[in-house]
Amino acid sequence: ILNVEQSPQSLHVQEGDSTNFTCSFPSSNFYALHWYRWETAKSPEALFVMTLNGDEKKKGRISATLNTKEGYSYLYIKGSQPEDSATYLCAFKRQAAGNKLTFGGGTRVLVKP
Amino acid sequence: EAQVTQNPRYLITVTGKKLTVTCSQNMNHEYMSWYRQDPGLGLRQIYYSMNVEVTDKGDVPEGYKVSRKEKRNFPLILESPSPNQTSLYFCASSFLRLAGSTDTQYFGPGTRLTVL
Repeated sequence: ILNVEQSPQSLHVQEGDSTNFTCSFPSSNFYALHWYRWETAKSPEALFVMTLNGDEKKKGRISATLNTKEGYSYLYIKGSQPEDSATYLCAFKRQAAGNKLTFGGGTRVLVKP
Repeated sequence: EAQVTQNPRYLITVTGKKLTVTCSQNMNHEYMSWYRQDPGLGLRQIYYSMNVEVTDKGDVPEGYKVSRKEKRNFPLILESPSPNQTSLYFCASSFLRLAGSTDTQYFGPGTRLTVL
């Protein structure tokens, strides 16, 4: 079973502050790294799919970077808002694994007004 | 609207009473998958299906069954539920790319199951 880890497990952020958190994954046989956003009582929704070392993706105030050589990805939230409160999941896809995703444990973000 | 639906959304049952959680998608996806989500453990794959009548075990298949008789439906069956199957269950679907895929998976809203 592949080891995909996210840290921290949870964090509290003051509204307006920026924050970031980490997903680490195996650096060998890398194919893609997915980020999902999951609000309680809703379906997880795709944020980014990242495939190339050095990739940077941005969606509004949320951005992500990827380092496949060392096996980590950062997700950044700039100027956090209460609506950013959610659990952020990363999922690793290795080569020749078809559609299989291996998920990390998630980082739960709570933005305080 | 493109979506994955699951029913029921919430279920409380007792040990040993067979149950089925339904999953349906309207996006003509070949690939469907079931996950369970437990605190701190992320989403763990139970079973997946690459097309009609093609299913295979994921990482935590014990105590579960699935079937794929139609492309749009992928029910999860617990023949004899036990308390350790209390969890939040997600169904997901995507297009199948045998050579590897960057397609995102679309998730249902989840089914919260409690087994007493």
